[in-house]
Amino acid sequence: DTGVSQNPRHKITKRGQNVTFRCDPISEHNRLYWYRQTLGQGPEFLTYFQNEAQLEKSRLLSDRFSAERPKGSFSTLEIQRTEQGDSAMYLCASRPGGETQYFGPGTRLLVL
Amino acid sequence: QKEVEQDPGPLSVPEGAIVSLNCTYSNSAFQYFMWYRQYSRKGPELLMYTYSSGNKEDGRFTAQVDKSSKYISLFIRDSQPSDSATYLCAMFAGSGGSNYKLTFGKGTLLTVNP
Repeated sequence: DTGVSQNPRHKITKRGQNVTFRCDPISEHNRLYWYRQTLGQGPEFLTYFQNEAQLEKSRLLSDRFSAERPKGSFSTLEIQRTEQGDSAMYLCASRPGGETQYFGPGTRLLVL
Repeated sequence: QKEVEQDPGPLSVPEGAIVSLNCTYSNSAFQYFMWYRQYSRKGPELLMYTYSSGNKEDGRFTAQVDKSSKYISLFIRDSQPSDSATYLCAMFAGSGGSNYKLTFGKGTLLTVNP
């Protein structure tokens, strides 16, 4: 499968715990995005990487959130001190030089 | 007011019906328009992508853009039960440092009944 992959697919955690999600983009896609989707809403942009550089962060990305793409390939999104409001689907998308973004299956987070 | 407005439905139609899905937007900078299909608990899948005003057809799907009215539509002909999903409109500016980040509508939940 050469699509975008995300792990884990599901995560249940207790409030206050830290969680980390991983995204593996399509090979040779140097642009990578993270979005968050809550129930009944469309995805909302969180952050954007071009190669290893994080070029844009949304105001939605509070200081409890950090994203990295250390070698310009896979990316991680960490949430520290999780809150119930962090419960959502976290989507990763990658893009080659053109305009089209290809989405992964998402990681569904539930904070109890 | 949100930048992109989309009626969330739900929309229920019989098999074979023509479906019309719509979005309006307020940001004149949006130049690229997309429709994604999202099955339950899955990631969005790109259906159609348009840039200019007018119509673009792909099989049973037609995307329509009217930049003067800031209005986009997706038509599905001969709808099938397998078309049952949430349809998301999305758009981006494509210039001025937008980084091509997508702004989505809420999505419209469509059910096609056999």
